[in-house]
Amino acid sequence: EIVLTQSPATLSLSPGERATLSCRASQSVNNYLAWYQQKPGQAPRLLIYDASNRATGIPARFSGGGSGTDFTLTISGLDPEDFAVYYCQQRGNWPPTFGPGTKVDIK
Amino acid sequence: QVQLVESGGGLVKPGGSLRLSCTDSRFTFSDYYMSWIRQAPGKGLEWVSYISGNGRTIDYADSVKGRFTISRDNAKNSLYLQMNSLRAEDTAVYYCARNPCIGDECYNFFFDLWGRGTLVTVSS
Repeated sequence: EIVLTQSPATLSLSPGERATLSCRASQSVNNYLAWYQQKPGQAPRLLIYDASNRATGIPARFSGGGSGTDFTLTISGLDPEDFAVYYCQQRGNWPPTFGPGTKVDIK
Repeated sequence: QVQLVESGGGLVKPGGSLRLSCTDSRFTFSDYYMSWIRQAPGKGLEWVSYISGNGRTIDYADSVKGRFTISRDNAKNSLYLQMNSLRAEDTAVYYCARNPCIGDECYNFFFDLWGRGTLVTVSS
């Protein structure tokens, strides 16, 4: 089973700042990595799939990159609604697995 | 607006059973693989099971294999999860989620639509 590690565990930033989140896989998942946003009491929302493809309706300030074992999610300028927990998830190897999450909170 | 709605959660004793349901009438249900994903309180996400659009292909996480059974009724736009021999570690919010199609390929294991979840608590 692929283990995903996310860093940092918590990222404290101010609105308008740039956020860079990291996800590392224990072995290559090619480009089969997705990112989700989850707010308290809500279901996760798909942001990015296959490393760099924005899901329908996702603002352009969200972008993803990377391949193989190292991936990043960048939020180019934090909106107040972006403070949440972000999970990465791989589908390159069976079974699909999720990372432990990065919490982006307000500094 | 597409919205998956889960039901059937609740409090059950260890060793007990529950059946979760998920429904959505706003997309062609039979076209899509569907999955169950769970989240223990304060914890991360764990994929539990999937079923193909026609119901013929199924798989489970090792943690639930032999205890949980996934099924679907496309005529009712419904997905189910029968959970038997429940354990304390099965306590979680259970989400149903849609596996999207990319072009004609629907065997994709990321999840573009999620329900709000239903809480299952296993405790004596």
